[in-house]
Amino acid sequence: GAGVSQSPSNKVTEKGKDVELRCDPISGHTALYWYRQRLGQGLEFLIYFQGNSAPDKSGLPSDRFSAERTGESVSTLTIQRTQQEDSAVYLCASSSASGRETQYFGPGTRLLVL
Amino acid sequence: KQEVTQIPAALSVPEGENLVLNCSFTDSAIYNLQWFRQDPGKGLTSLLLIQSSQREQTSGRLNASLDKSSGRSTLYIAASQPGDSATYLCAVRPSGNNRLAFGKGNQVVVIP
Repeated sequence: GAGVSQSPSNKVTEKGKDVELRCDPISGHTALYWYRQRLGQGLEFLIYFQGNSAPDKSGLPSDRFSAERTGESVSTLTIQRTQQEDSAVYLCASSSASGRETQYFGPGTRLLVL
Repeated sequence: KQEVTQIPAALSVPEGENLVLNCSFTDSAIYNLQWFRQDPGKGLTSLLLIQSSQREQTSGRLNASLDKSSGRSTLYIAASQPGDSATYLCAVRPSGNNRLAFGKGNQVVVIP
């Protein structure tokens, strides 16, 4: 079946602009995660959605970052007033249940802020 | 805060040699530990998932061990092949939350 998909695959934007990144999880997966991977760094957790529960937003680096998910479907990560330090690969993952299940990752969106 | 360290950061081995990749974590209160593979320009592929109650997992030429009390995991890749060249990431899911804590990876090059 289809895996996790993300769009766009690459995004170049100017400092100060807003960007929206999209993630389509595997059908039926209740858990969805966003991570950020800066060059030469490990993945950083950003936000976690589980079903209809309140999301865990504790990893969002600033109030310029927000994410939404409708039910158990598509999620969007929005970065407002982008800064150069936001340049990174943004990875989305989904899993069938929280905790003990493998997380399946999408190919990522490569964001470059000029 | 859970800290995950992977050593060595990078290594090159001739084809056919066994690979040994090390991962350490600071807090032994974990649900599970997972090894991923990342190829350039691509997402992560899960290789092995070890639950906290398990000591090891095996899949083909790959074997991962877990010593939770000492905060260590080792990924063994037997008889390496050029196609094994990639970055290998170790990730720990701490008890009590759902986020994965990742190391920076072991970048592996297998020389034909």
